[in-house]
Amino acid sequence: KNEVEQSPQNLTAQEGEFITINCSYSVGISALHWLQQHPGGGIVSLFMLSSGKKKHGRLIATINIQEKHSSLHITASHPRDSAVYICAVNPGNYGGSQGNLIFGKGTKLSVKP
Amino acid sequence: DAGVIQSPRHEVTEMGQEVTLRCKPISGHDYLFWYRQTMMRGLELLIYFNNNVPIDDSGMPEDRFSAKMPNASFSTLKIQPSEPRDSAVYFCASSRSSYRHEQFFGPGTRLTVL
Repeated sequence: KNEVEQSPQNLTAQEGEFITINCSYSVGISALHWLQQHPGGGIVSLFMLSSGKKKHGRLIATINIQEKHSSLHITASHPRDSAVYICAVNPGNYGGSQGNLIFGKGTKLSVKP
Repeated sequence: DAGVIQSPRHEVTEMGQEVTLRCKPISGHDYLFWYRQTMMRGLELLIYFNNNVPIDDSGMPEDRFSAKMPNASFSTLKIQPSEPRDSAVYFCASSRSSYRHEQFFGPGTRLTVL
């Protein structure tokens, strides 16, 4: 079983729809990251969070440490949001974590106009 | 800042040849990471450095892979000899000191070993 699981693997939406991508993890973590990889291959960090919720524009990320679960929401989706969204975690406890990341397999999002 | 710089962007080589990938992290970043991405396995950590010192190389597949960071502004990942199964996209990333900072990724090097 992978330490970081994402769902769904693939997602197709119509422009304007509200989108949710889920991430579950089985290890103790100090932080969770959401990354975006565009069709050209470049990877951009969207969020890093260890508790609660963060918002940036139309993107919202939440995390529930007790349930070991995080969600990435996209409101009013647009074709330019089409990309692969990757969940990754810093394993370890808050006080003595590691710098490396463990990645989920990614969710491929396609938003149709 | 120009961001994380990787070279070359594309590399095609024949099996058995030596391959050297290069990375320049963002100035002031103390952590440097090398990742490999394949269709089958997704993104995987190969090795990471803190203040030029290798901290965790457990992801390096085998002795054919080696990485160095001779100074704060340069790192190399070397494969010798290369094999077709090494074909992948190799990303370098850097972050500021402290594990709780976001990582900035380079554009990647697409390696094809024939």
